Amino acid sequence: QLQLQESGPGLVKPSETLSLTCNVSSGSISSSNYYWAWIRQPPGKGLEWIGTIYYTGTTYYNPSLKSRVTISVDMSKNQFSLKLSSVTAADTAVYYCARRGLILVAGAFDSWGQGTLVSVSS
Amino acid sequence: SSELTQDPAVSVALGQTVRITCQGDTLRTYYASWYQQKPGQAPVLVIYGKNSRPSGIPDRFSGSNSGYTASLTITGAQAEDEADYYCHSRDSRDNHLMIFGGGTKLTVL
Repeated sequence: QLQLQESGPGLVKPSETLSLTCNVSSGSISSSNYYWAWIRQPPGKGLEWIGTIYYTGTTYYNPSLKSRVTISVDMSKNQFSLKLSSVTAADTAVYYCARRGLILVAGAFDSWGQGTLVSVSS
Repeated sequence: SSELTQDPAVSVALGQTVRITCQGDTLRTYYASWYQQKPGQAPVLVIYGKNSRPSGIPDRFSGSNSGYTASLTITGAQAEDEADYYCHSRDSRDNHLMIFGGGTKLTVL
């Protein structure tokens, strides 16, 4: 069964860059059937889609975050990554990586990592 | 960009049926998918497409769509169904952009 695992610093200083990696196991990130995504959830709030990447490197970003977000894929390591620049306290959230079907599961997010809490504080 | 609107909270008596709704223009074009999230856990997909359930999701969960509204119905709600539920779909103006509803807190009484 596919497993997704987020990793990265749990504390980032304001104005710095948040960097997270999602390791994909028991499945190939180079599958043409899926997209790979980052989603976040501020404490006590709802889910916010950050962006999505296809194995070809094509990316799609939330317009509200687009100027600060970069998502990349490393097929040799079967992982994908998130960089969010110029962070503020408003970026404090649990960050999830997830898989979304291209056509399978009607484009839903069918597999999620456990999430990692990133706090922005000096 | 598109928006999806959910009621913040809904309650249901144990064993009864509850409907959780999600409204948005994009739902006239795209199906919603539904996620269950329990405290401290990652979301879990419970309904996708017209009305499909991933393996392992009980058949008391079902989905439906009508115009601007998608619904998640739990028939015979159980105590373990108490959770937050989120709908998700695509932006009607750019189907590569994803949107989530604000979530509905379901309480099973």
